[in-house]
Amino acid sequence: KAGVTQTPRYLIKTRGQQVTLSCSPISGHRSVSWYQQTPGQGLQFLFEYFSETQRNKGNFPGRFSGRQFSNSRSEMNVSTLELGDSALYLCASSLVGLAGAPSKNIQYFGAGTRLSVL
Amino acid sequence: AQSVTQLDSQVPVFEEAPVELRCNYSSSVSVYLFWYVQYPNQGLQLLLKYLSGSTLVKGINGFEAEFNKSQTSFHLRKPSVHISDTAEYFCAVSEGASGTYKYIFGTGTRLKVLA
Repeated sequence: KAGVTQTPRYLIKTRGQQVTLSCSPISGHRSVSWYQQTPGQGLQFLFEYFSETQRNKGNFPGRFSGRQFSNSRSEMNVSTLELGDSALYLCASSLVGLAGAPSKNIQYFGAGTRLSVL
Repeated sequence: AQSVTQLDSQVPVFEEAPVELRCNYSSSVSVYLFWYVQYPNQGLQLLLKYLSGSTLVKGINGFEAEFNKSQTSFHLRKPSVHISDTAEYFCAVSEGASGTYKYIFGTGTRLKVLA
């Protein structure tokens, strides 16, 4: 079974631009979460999507947004990039049960997209 | 609110020596606990998890961890480390009954195995 796939692996943008990152979950996984990893703040939860709906959100400004498609693939978008947005962005996918509750409670992570803002 | 503390930012240890990476958490509700490992330029790989049941959990690559509810700890141990264990290790907690997958991570511990 293929793992979580994130594209692109590396991105370089300039301040003020916007960026879209993509995540394809493991087949059959319907929950997708996004995390930001920086040396200063560590790993921070951005948001989680299930059934095309955001059902949990971390403490990030509105410039950070995401969406999920009917095939469970997810994208996250960062608008008006700032230097501090430079980070490794990790996507994780998970199984859910019939009612959308976690099943086995394990998140599987992709290799990440490294975003550099100049 | 939940929080996770990894007291040691770096742990150097000689090859074949034992190691313990410490993790303490804070939560007012029941939690699930995890240890993940991250190798350079890679994502996170699950080492082991505690959801319920036996407090001693065994994971991959010879790692194990013990859940101690009274001390709110979930320390990771390996009796004999290898050079290939050099990586960053993250402890994480999620709320047991929340119904979602929000993880709170510790700040990580860099394990450096010396020859």
